Amino acid sequence: KAGVTQTPRYLIKTRGQQVTLSCSPISGHRSVSWYQQTPGQGLQFLFEYFSETQRNKGNFPGRFSGRQFSNSRSEMNVSTLELGDSALYLCASSTQGAGLTEAFFGQGTRLTVV
Amino acid sequence: GENVEQHPSTLSVQEGDSAVIKCTYSDSASNYFPWYKQELGKRPQLIIDIRSNVGEKKDQRIAVTLNKTAKHFSLHITETQPEDSAVYFCAAPPSGADGLTFGKGTHLIIQP
Repeated sequence: KAGVTQTPRYLIKTRGQQVTLSCSPISGHRSVSWYQQTPGQGLQFLFEYFSETQRNKGNFPGRFSGRQFSNSRSEMNVSTLELGDSALYLCASSTQGAGLTEAFFGQGTRLTVV
Repeated sequence: GENVEQHPSTLSVQEGDSAVIKCTYSDSASNYFPWYKQELGKRPQLIIDIRSNVGEKKDQRIAVTLNKTAKHFSLHITETQPEDSAVYFCAAPPSGADGLTFGKGTHLIIQP
């Protein structure tokens, strides 16, 4: 069974640009959640999707958005990038939701904003 | 929303000794408490979890205890080995919603 796959692995963007990150969950998992990891703030929850519906959103500005497709693949978008958006972005998939059942993480997308 | 506090931020123990990491949470309705291990440059992986209807759970050298009244849960690792060196995160979900709120992490160092 393939694990959670995130693409791309690395990205370098300029301030003001926008970026889209992709996450393919484990087959059969309907929940995908997204997290931002930085050395100072640790792992912070961005949002969670289940069967194409956003069920919860963390405390991030509206520049951060996401969606989930009918095949459970998810994307997150960050518009008007700021230097502080540089981080490792992790997604996790689970059968019922990360707050209910084991969440399996992808290897992450390392975003650098210059 | 949920607030999770984790201590200590760094823990150094001698190989073979035990390590204990503690977390407190704020939302009394939270009912699922996972622990994740993240080795350097790798993704977080679940090592053990506990639900609110259980006070303790063990898996070989790893155990987790939960005190719902005091709203705290702890990770216990016995007979520590070099491969236990990593960052450990506790987490809890907000009530009535999904996703996980993580503690800031504990960097566990196993001294030979």
